[in-house]
Amino acid sequence: DGGITQSPKYLFRKEGQNVTLSCEQNLNHDAMYWYRQDPGQGLRLIYYSQIVNDFQKGDIAEGYSVSREKKESFPLTVTSAQKNPTAFYLCASSPRTSRETQYFGPGTRLLVL
Amino acid sequence: KQEVTQIPAALSVPEGENLVLNCSFTDSAIYNLQWFRQDPGKGLTSLLLIQSSQREQTSGRLNASLDKSSGRSTLYIAASQPGDSATYLCAAPQRGGGNKLVFGAGTILRVKS
Repeated sequence: DGGITQSPKYLFRKEGQNVTLSCEQNLNHDAMYWYRQDPGQGLRLIYYSQIVNDFQKGDIAEGYSVSREKKESFPLTVTSAQKNPTAFYLCASSPRTSRETQYFGPGTRLLVL
Repeated sequence: KQEVTQIPAALSVPEGENLVLNCSFTDSAIYNLQWFRQDPGKGLTSLLLIQSSQREQTSGRLNASLDKSSGRSTLYIAASQPGDSATYLCAAPQRGGGNKLVFGAGTILRVKS
């Protein structure tokens, strides 16, 4: 089955801790994206990558970091610099062309202890 | 900078009713517009993608229209069913390439049986 997987489904972070959210796709898509969703709000772009070993900041990149060492994988690290990390995090992928839809994973809910 | 607004924020209708969800965007220089569905605690599912050269796109009981000149799109749902209950999100591209999307806050739809 082709698709996008995210793990874990729930993640708990302690004060001062860095945590990493996993995103893997087997759709052979070049582009991958990370979004944050807060209650009652739309999705906001954190980082995106159009090709392996390259990524750009989105609208709310502060306190987050990413890597893109493999085409299939785009992990997101929430660092201790992110003071309000509680949110629903969604990963997506798309073919590189800008006229294609994005395919979304099931999401990871991050909670602060 | 692209901004996307959706009204109403929430809608409750009896089963069988036809309904319209509205989306407006500020930058009309778009190459497409997308509608997504999100079930509680889940990822997004693409419903319809309208290219800028199209005025309408249909899938089953769903019909989406696009009017670039007025900066508006509508999603029409015919003969609504309880299974249509979900949050519906509209997304328009942001200038600068990279297939970056700007999302509205969504319309929460409840269809009562």
